[in-house]
Amino acid sequence: GAVVSQHPSWVICKSGTSVKIECRSLDFQATTMFWYRQFPKQSLMLMATSNEGSKATYEQGVEKDKFLINHASLTLSTLTVTSAHPEDSSFYICSASQQELIGYTFGSGTRLTVV
Amino acid sequence: QKEVEQNSGPLSVPEGAIASLNCTYSDRGSQSFFWYRQYSGKSPELIMSIYSNGDKEDGRFTAQLNKASQYVSLLIRDSQPSDSATYLCAVKGSNYQLIWGAGTKLIIKP
Repeated sequence: GAVVSQHPSWVICKSGTSVKIECRSLDFQATTMFWYRQFPKQSLMLMATSNEGSKATYEQGVEKDKFLINHASLTLSTLTVTSAHPEDSSFYICSASQQELIGYTFGSGTRLTVV
Repeated sequence: QKEVEQNSGPLSVPEGAIASLNCTYSDRGSQSFFWYRQYSGKSPELIMSIYSNGDKEDGRFTAQLNKASQYVSLLIRDSQPSDSATYLCAVKGSNYQLIWGAGTKLIIKP
């Protein structure tokens, strides 16, 4: 079945630094990838949709200059949280979709803690 | 605004009983529907997908879709304590995005 690998699974960083999260589709080509954020006891919040080779589409209220998304290949998308602050601490999850498929596969998530 | 509604729960069900989870959606043109299970601190995992009216069974799970009434449900037979989790209903929108419900917390009591 479709597998999505997400790294790191957890990261602690100092306020003001940047953190990169990788999302890889291991056995299929993902034309579209989605990045979500989830705060404790809240539902998933879509941050952005990225399509291979084009700029990401950000949801309203998500700062594109703060959350940099790169989808340079059909198997890799990255999310970089720039100048991280404690309020950016959250659970970040990627999801990948192959256009011919209807299902969506999630990565295992990255728990980011900014201190 | 396209919406997906779920009762947040918690829904408490005795072990061995049938758990019934419900979801309604606002976009009558929706064609693809998904149920995900999410354990605390973990990412969602796909349980069932359904695209046609009627029932779809997979092991202890049955998804039911009624497009005329715009609802989709998930039945879990012979509920186990390991089924305790939050169940998320999702509907495929435009641009391949999923529109998510807030999730129903299910508790299976031994």
